[in-house]
Amino acid sequence: DAKTTQPNSMESNEEEPVHLPCNHSTISGTDYIHWYRQLPSQGPEYVIHGLTSNVNNRMASLAIAEDRKSSTLILHRATLRDAAVYYCILKSGGYQKVTFGTGTKLQVIP
Amino acid sequence: DTGVSQDPRHKITKRGQNVTFRCDPISEHNRLYWYRQTLGQGPEFLTYFQNEAQLEKSRLLSDRFSAERPKGSFSTLEIQRTEQGDSAMYLCASSPLHVLAGVDTGELFFGEGSRLTVL
Repeated sequence: DAKTTQPNSMESNEEEPVHLPCNHSTISGTDYIHWYRQLPSQGPEYVIHGLTSNVNNRMASLAIAEDRKSSTLILHRATLRDAAVYYCILKSGGYQKVTFGTGTKLQVIP
Repeated sequence: DTGVSQDPRHKITKRGQNVTFRCDPISEHNRLYWYRQTLGQGPEFLTYFQNEAQLEKSRLLSDRFSAERPKGSFSTLEIQRTEQGDSAMYLCASSPLHVLAGVDTGELFFGEGSRLTVL
């Protein structure tokens, strides 16, 4: 299955925007890009997903490169509650074995 | 609460004992997944059910592990003859069958996990 590459950690100041990058150079045409986040001692939580076009929801925005080999999760105003590990994963239709990498640990500085 | 429920939340056992974890998915979700997560790592896929049928199993799922989902509702994950290397968080997730333009895009809804410590 196609893999994703993310930085191990990032820092952001509170109330500033955060751009979390993800590379997925071997993405296939049927792979959807999903983002999850995991707060300490909790299970992962769905954030957003997309295929080709940029996507917005109440939690975040997802910007997808034109060649789909990379994407960026955008948190418009980081809060302390956004401190978590963020996972970028690829999910293909009909194939349910989703692989999580080690994600990006986001630290939000007050 | 209508989220994914897992029980027990914590289990401490001695090496060689059997343990069983239970997962109650969101009621209208027909897909159920088990993952294992060790410290500092992302969740690793173990197995997947669609309704009562177990459709995929990871090579990580040795013969000491067995999962069932009778009647397509709750699921159990049993580990026999536990080893210290089995110590981990066991996560359950469920997903609706959400097909868009012929592609399943359903997001996963995770429970809070069952933490296993094998002494």
